[in-house]
Amino acid sequence: GNSVTQMEGPVTLSEEAFLTINCTYTATGYPSLFWYVQYPGEGLQLLLKATKADDKGSNKGFEATYRKETTSFHLEKGSVQVSDSAVYFCALRFSQGGSEKLVFGKGTKLTVNP
Amino acid sequence: DAGVIQSPRHEVTEMGQEVTLRCKPISGHNSLFWYRQTMMRGLELLIYFNNNVPIDDSGMPEDRFSAKMPNASFSTLKIQPSEPRDSAVYFCASSTHIWGDNIQYFGAGTRLSVL
Repeated sequence: GNSVTQMEGPVTLSEEAFLTINCTYTATGYPSLFWYVQYPGEGLQLLLKATKADDKGSNKGFEATYRKETTSFHLEKGSVQVSDSAVYFCALRFSQGGSEKLVFGKGTKLTVNP
Repeated sequence: DAGVIQSPRHEVTEMGQEVTLRCKPISGHNSLFWYRQTMMRGLELLIYFNNNVPIDDSGMPEDRFSAKMPNASFSTLKIQPSEPRDSAVYFCASSTHIWGDNIQYFGAGTRLSVL
């Protein structure tokens, strides 16, 4: 089946630290991969995406590369800020019955301290 | 654009009561999705609509749950009767359609507590 596994949190970092949140997937075919972010009290927002192998998605200093050989899509940021504190969700999109569905990981809570 | 609007933001009810959650998708979006988020199971897709028609309701947990989309600008998720295990955050999302390179936009969610 199609599933996403991401590292369990919570993750606590100091401002300007390097961030990695691991995400691996299981899928049939060639899914698209996403990272969504959920700030406190809000819904999920798309952070970045990649639609094929070796694509790199990037936004707001975050990056993730679609690695087909390791079935991974790890999220990285070189220098985190307090405002990056949120829950991060890895997701894949796959086709089923003529439509496309999203499957999410369980989320990783990030807290950045000043 | 105001984004996806959900109401109420918080709902507290007693076991056995009927609960109705509401969603207004982004204008012009043809697809609407209902998700449930819990600590144990994460984010689960319950049902989705395309052009107001339910396409896949395989994620609806049981007959106590029902969803409708009477028009392009409104959808409801109803639980009758509610049970404590239904306590969760329910999200609505919309997108331009359910195929191709489309993005789902999420509402802020309804936090439901069933006592």
